[in-house]
Amino acid sequence: DGGITQSPKYLFRKEGQNVTLSCEQNLNHDAMYWYRQDPGQGLRLIYYSQIVNDFQKGDIAEGYSVSREKKESFPLTVTSAQKNPTAFYLCASSKGQRGGEQFFGPGTRLTVL
Amino acid sequence: GENVEQHPSTLSVQEGDSAVIKCTYSDSASNYFPWYKQELGKGPQLIIDIRSNVGEKKDQRIAVTLNKTAKHFSLHITETQPEDSAVYFCAATPGGNSGGYQKVTFGTGTKLQVIP
Repeated sequence: DGGITQSPKYLFRKEGQNVTLSCEQNLNHDAMYWYRQDPGQGLRLIYYSQIVNDFQKGDIAEGYSVSREKKESFPLTVTSAQKNPTAFYLCASSKGQRGGEQFFGPGTRLTVL
Repeated sequence: GENVEQHPSTLSVQEGDSAVIKCTYSDSASNYFPWYKQELGKGPQLIIDIRSNVGEKKDQRIAVTLNKTAKHFSLHITETQPEDSAVYFCAATPGGNSGGYQKVTFGTGTKLQVIP
């Protein structure tokens, strides 16, 4: 059963700590994305990767970092430099580079205590 | 860059009535317009999409219309049911024949409530 998994579903962090959100896909998609979702706002792009070992900053990359060592995996690290990290984080993937459907994971809700 | 505006932000309808959500976009180069449905605590799922070479597309109770001249597109849900209650996002993606990443710009979402 193909899809995208994200873990954990809920994550609590103390201020000053880095945390890593997991994203795995078995759809054999080349492209993967991380979005941040805040109440009343659309999805804002944090980072994206078109191919293994390559990734690009999105609109709100400050305070975040990613890696793409495997095609299936695209973890996101929320660093202590991110000033307002409490949000719902969504990972997505798509087949290729041109406009087309993005498949989303179930999301991780991060709360900073 | 592309700017997508979505209205209304909230919408309540009686079960069985129709619901319409409207979006406008700014970049005339956009050529792919998906609509996503997001249920509470879940990731968005594509429900219907339309490309710029088509004016209307229908899938059972859901339809999308596109007016390229006016740069707006709309989602129509007929015979609404309680399970249609969710947040709906429109999006726009620029086209082009070259390769490379093509950013998806999302609207701010419409919370639809279907009242039984």
